[in-house]
Amino acid sequence: QLQLHESGPGLVKPSETLSLTCTVSGAAMRSDTYSWGWVRQPPGKGLEWIGSIYAGGPAYYNPSLNSRITMSVDTTKNQFSLKLISVTAADTAMYYCARRYPHDFDYWGQGTLVTVSS
Amino acid sequence: EIVLTQSPATLSLSPGERATLSCRASQRIGRYLAWYQQKPGQAPRLLIYDASIRATGIPARFSGSGSGTDFTLTISSLEPEDFAVYYCQQRDDWPLTFGGGTKVDIK
Repeated sequence: QLQLHESGPGLVKPSETLSLTCTVSGAAMRSDTYSWGWVRQPPGKGLEWIGSIYAGGPAYYNPSLNSRITMSVDTTKNQFSLKLISVTAADTAMYYCARRYPHDFDYWGQGTLVTVSS
Repeated sequence: EIVLTQSPATLSLSPGERATLSCRASQRIGRYLAWYQQKPGQAPRLLIYDASIRATGIPARFSGSGSGTDFTLTISSLEPEDFAVYYCQQRDDWPLTFGGGTKVDIK
């Protein structure tokens, strides 16, 4: 059974970098049949796609965040990561990692709440 | 970017009733639309992809229809566990976008 689990700090100071890791178990990430993504949800609001990445290479980012995002994959650890720089209170949200197969998000992590506050 | 508009924002119904949720795209997206269900404190769950195909394990009371710009999610007879928020999402073009959601609550 595929499982995804987000990890990272729950509190980040304004202007600093948010770093999250998603650990995948139950399937190897190496296949390019899947892509791996991040979706966030501010408290009480809707869903926002952040970006998606294939194990073999290309990453696609939401243009609204493009200049601040970096995503990466480490297939040896079966993990993928998100870095979001220069955070503000507007980046406070539940962050979900998810698998996209073949085209839609079929498996999700439980989510991790990140609060941006001094 | 493609904007998805969901209506109504809230749908108040009783168990056993039929629910009809709408999602309208700002431009034609073929059939590249998915529906997700989200319950409080949980991650979204994929219900429907490619407008009308039920995901694995999704009950037959959930059905999707539409193409182009207008899409519908129908729940034929609401079960207690179906009261939740539903989101549509398009994959026709980057960036992937979600609708604002429809909350189905108990009347």
